[in-house]
Amino acid sequence: GAVVSQHPSRVICKSGTSVKIECRSLDFQATTMFWYRQFPKQSLMLMATSNEGSKATYEQGVEKDKFLINHASLTLSTLTVTSAHPEDSSFYICSASTWASQETQYFGPGTRLLVL
Amino acid sequence: AQSVTQPDIHITVSEGASLELRCNYSYGATPYLFWYVQSPGQGLQLLLKYFSGDTLVQGIKGFEAEFKRSQSSFNLRKPSVHWSDAAEYFCAVGLSGGYNKLIFGAGTRLAVHP
Repeated sequence: GAVVSQHPSRVICKSGTSVKIECRSLDFQATTMFWYRQFPKQSLMLMATSNEGSKATYEQGVEKDKFLINHASLTLSTLTVTSAHPEDSSFYICSASTWASQETQYFGPGTRLLVL
Repeated sequence: AQSVTQPDIHITVSEGASLELRCNYSYGATPYLFWYVQSPGQGLQLLLKYFSGDTLVQGIKGFEAEFKRSQSSFNLRKPSVHWSDAAEYFCAVGLSGGYNKLIFGAGTRLAVHP
């Protein structure tokens, strides 16, 4: 149980285009979803937290107009990187928690984004 | 401020040897503590967690961890390492209240020699 998927697993795009990454909880309802960014050989950096049906809460220093997060249902959250640039290239990981077990986050497999 | 320290960036052990990965935290309240493992290019898998009760917790894949409040530590152990255990290990503190954010340590990369 508690499986989280991400799509796509990797994406290459041209500078200036937008990229959407999906995060789905497959066998549970995710009341809260989290988006992280991970640079090579580094730890995870929390970008934002989102609850279903409400606006995401962004961490300090994360541009909300750059990284659009939508959490439209209890099983789906999306991260859109708008007008992507090479410095946005990174590994993006989502996680989800349930109402019954809010303290525990279950992570997706990650999406590797390369902006040319 | 809350923080998690994993003092060892890289550890190498021989297959079959015992393993201990260190984790120290700084948090004013009673922490929720987690260990996650990440294989190359993959997401994080939960190994074990501590919320309260017995300070020695058992996890998956033969791992265990012990919470020591006096030392602000939550070290991960395994009595006999397998080659498939080679991965990156992250210790994390869960912040109570709000949306239960996790604060991660920098990670420890484990290499296993045959």
